[in-house]
Amino acid sequence: DTGVSQDPRHKITKRGQNVTFRCDPISEHNRLYWYRQTLGQGPEFLTYFQNEAQLEKSRLLSDRFSAERPKGSFSTLEIQRTEQGDSAMYLCASSLAPTVAFATNEKLFFGSGTQLSVL
Amino acid sequence: TQLLEQSPQFLSIQEGENLTVYCNSSSVFSSLQWYRQEPGEGPVLLVTVVTGGEVKKLKRLTFQFGDARKDSSLHITAAQTGDTGLYLCAGLSGYALNFGKGTSLLVTP
Repeated sequence: DTGVSQDPRHKITKRGQNVTFRCDPISEHNRLYWYRQTLGQGPEFLTYFQNEAQLEKSRLLSDRFSAERPKGSFSTLEIQRTEQGDSAMYLCASSLAPTVAFATNEKLFFGSGTQLSVL
Repeated sequence: TQLLEQSPQFLSIQEGENLTVYCNSSSVFSSLQWYRQEPGEGPVLLVTVVTGGEVKKLKRLTFQFGDARKDSSLHITAAQTGDTGLYLCAGLSGYALNFGKGTSLLVTP
């Protein structure tokens, strides 16, 4: 399977614990996005990378959240001191983008997500 | 952030019926995308509309972009149970796609 892969698929944690999610994009894709989705809502943008550079962060991304893409390939999203409000599906998407700006024909390929439950 | 309003929020129909769902905004978009999402999975891109007034067809699905590029519609002809899912529209806001809340469609036999 050469699609976007996310690990783990499900994570249950206790409030206050740290969690880390991994995303492996489609191999030739240079852009990688993180989104969060709660029940009854569409995906909400968190952050994105162009190769290894993190170019944009949403104000939804509090200082407890950190994302990295050290070699421009896989990415990790860490949440420190989790809160119950962090419970959501965390989605990763990748695309092939020729420039920094979003292209009108840019196609995002999403992974199956990591479902986080904070107890 | 440019808001995308989708309606209806929920829709339950029987197999064979036709339906239309809407995506509206007060802002102009350079393009809009439609995605379908099944439970427990990520969204899958269906189509991108770019030109005002554009109509694109994907088998039984017809997508239209408003002349003013502020709204879009998705029409499904003769719905099938396999069409069940969450239909999301998305438009560029800043550096990334901004999604609407979606229309949850249930097609029953």
